[in-house]
Amino acid sequence: DQQVKQNSPSLSVQEGRISILNCDYTNSMFDYFLWYKKYPAEGPTFLISISSIKDKNEDGRFTVFLNKSAKHLSLHIVPSQPGDSAVYFCAASAWGNQFYFGTGTSLTVIP
Amino acid sequence: DADVTQTPRNRITKTGKRIMLECSQTKGHDRMYWYRQDPGLGLRLIYYSFDVKDINKGEISDGYSVSRQAQAKFSLSLESAIPNQTALYFCATSDQLAGGSYNEQFFGPGTRLTVL
Repeated sequence: DQQVKQNSPSLSVQEGRISILNCDYTNSMFDYFLWYKKYPAEGPTFLISISSIKDKNEDGRFTVFLNKSAKHLSLHIVPSQPGDSAVYFCAASAWGNQFYFGTGTSLTVIP
Repeated sequence: DADVTQTPRNRITKTGKRIMLECSQTKGHDRMYWYRQDPGLGLRLIYYSFDVKDINKGEISDGYSVSRQAQAKFSLSLESAIPNQTALYFCATSDQLAGGSYNEQFFGPGTRLTVL
């Protein structure tokens, strides 16, 4: 059973606007969450992470929000740029052992 | 040079054949992982290793085996390949930070495997 879910397979956003990518999880033991970006023919690359002791982490244009009670996290990209077009995976881990990945959301930023 | 390399990058094989996918890293990380990616299923963990003497099964280890030949090398084998093992395979590494906190994984470029 999928422990990390990304229910939106795709998202299109105009350049300059906000992109919001969502992720839900079922395992309350998860204590570390990450977002990865993947371009075609490349491996995923780390984007941003958040520990369960926080509810927000910001890095430049990227902000991750964590709502533990709802078991939900989101990635905000502001402003969105055409180079942000990629597949985004969220991942979660308990005690840093196995990482469980979502199915990915394909983001297209329209110039 | 890439920190995490995978060979081969593409492979086509036939049902029943034995195949090995290799992963090497120059990051000096202790932890290494093998994942497969399938359309609509994301990345799923096959095996992981926290050091040379430590091998652990992931979510979908059936039909696969691994070997951790050295800190820098982690190989994935399909003893008798079958068509539903057709997928994109990724190797990844990570390092555990001091104090037990975690760090992100670094992925190789992937191996596209087709089993006919």
